[in-house]
Formats: sequence, structure tokens, C-alpha cells
Amino acid sequence: GAGVSQSPRYKVAKRGQDVALRCDPISGHVSLFWYQQALGQGPEFLTYFQNEAQLDKSGLPSDRFFAERPEGSVSTLKIQRTQQEDSAVYLCASSYRQGAYNEQFFGPGTRLTVL
Amino acid sequence: AQSVTQPDIHITVSEGASLELRCNYSYGATPYLFWYVQSPGQGLQLLLKYFSGDTLVQGIKGFEAEFKRSQSSFNLRKPSVHWSDAAEYFCAASQGGNTGKLIFGQGTTLQVKP
Repeated sequence: GAGVSQSPRYKVAKRGQDVALRCDPISGHVSLFWYQQALGQGPEFLTYFQNEAQLDKSGLPSDRFFAERPEGSVSTLKIQRTQQEDSAVYLCASSYRQGAYNEQFFGPGTRLTVL
Repeated sequence: AQSVTQPDIHITVSEGASLELRCNYSYGATPYLFWYVQSPGQGLQLLLKYFSGDTLVQGIKGFEAEFKRSQSSFNLRKPSVHWSDAAEYFCAASQGGNTGKLIFGQGTTLQVKP
């Protein structure tokens, strides 16, 4: 019954490796968001799911980034052929319903370091 | 383009002093506005939000914010800062709609001196 959880909390990858980041939203939350937070910056929107449907992926920086939420609960953000510029904290958030008036609850993030 | 600006990257205040963190937005219409706090190793926590109505909104932990349409601002205030308030603060905005995706400012790091 806790909040949003993310795993792993820390990930170190060699350039060119593929990584998968997991998000477990709060049970029953319809909406799920992924954000990328570079060092010293605010989070930037990557993609949005309503249940299993990916309704907005306008923030994904390249076709190396792919996200899914096949059963409308757990989500995975996959980054293929990682680059150094992918180093950031990846935040997941969920909300009970769609729409900005519903509070987004954030997970602690996954810190990705690409060497 | 829609944007949120936090002019102060770093602010230091003495414990017990008052605090004001600035936030300006650039949107075609008045967006929904939010303030979040992020402590090291913790997720973002919502302090308060403004959708419409009363322009002075109260939040958790003794924070308040005032929406000023004429200045496109949504500044965060606290009358008396506690050492535990040291953290990073983010202002965010959303145009609403179905997704509710947030656009964040760069953040302001608050340091509290004893």
C-alpha cells in the first residue's frame, strides 16, 4: 500500500548497453508518467500512459527510448544503445485519474549513469 | 513555447527567517500551477496547487503561494523557515487537458543557516 516504487534505484551502464527501468505505480492509478531529470535541472516529461494505452510520447528524446505498460499497472522504460547524454534520474509518477487536477505521486527515481 | 522559470538557482536563509521563492510562467492561457519539494533521495512531494479561484493558496508544511495573473507569477512563501525545509523546490505548470503532463522550472535549492 506504499507509494510509487522504482527499480533499480541506481544503474550503471556502459555506453551501447541496453537498460530497462521499472515503475510500480500506486495500485489502482490510471495515469502513469515518466520524466527525465538531468543533473541540476527540473524534470522533463517523457511519456504518458492511461491504463495500458500510451497516449503521449512526445517527450521521448529519440527512437532509442521505448516505454510500455502492457497490463495497465507496472511500466518499463527501455533505453537501447545507451549514450552518455542519457545519464539522468528517471522519475515515474502516477495519478488516480487522468487530468492535471489529479495529484501526481512520484517515485524516488532511478539514477542512470552511462560510462 | 510553454515554459516555467525559477530565477533563483540557490537561496540561503537563516532559520526562522521568512522565505519567498519566485516562479514565472509563460503560457497562452492560465495554466494549472504547482509547487513540489524534493529532498535528497526522496521523490517529489506536492506542496500546493492552484487551479482557479482564490489566488492565495495554502499548502502543507506551512507553505503558501500567491498567483498573480498580471505578473505571470506563482511565488512560494513561508513566514518562518525551519532547518528541515532545506531541499530543492520546483515550480511546475500544466495546461490541463487529458494528460496533465507537467512542465517544471529548473528548481531552487534552499539552504537554511542555523
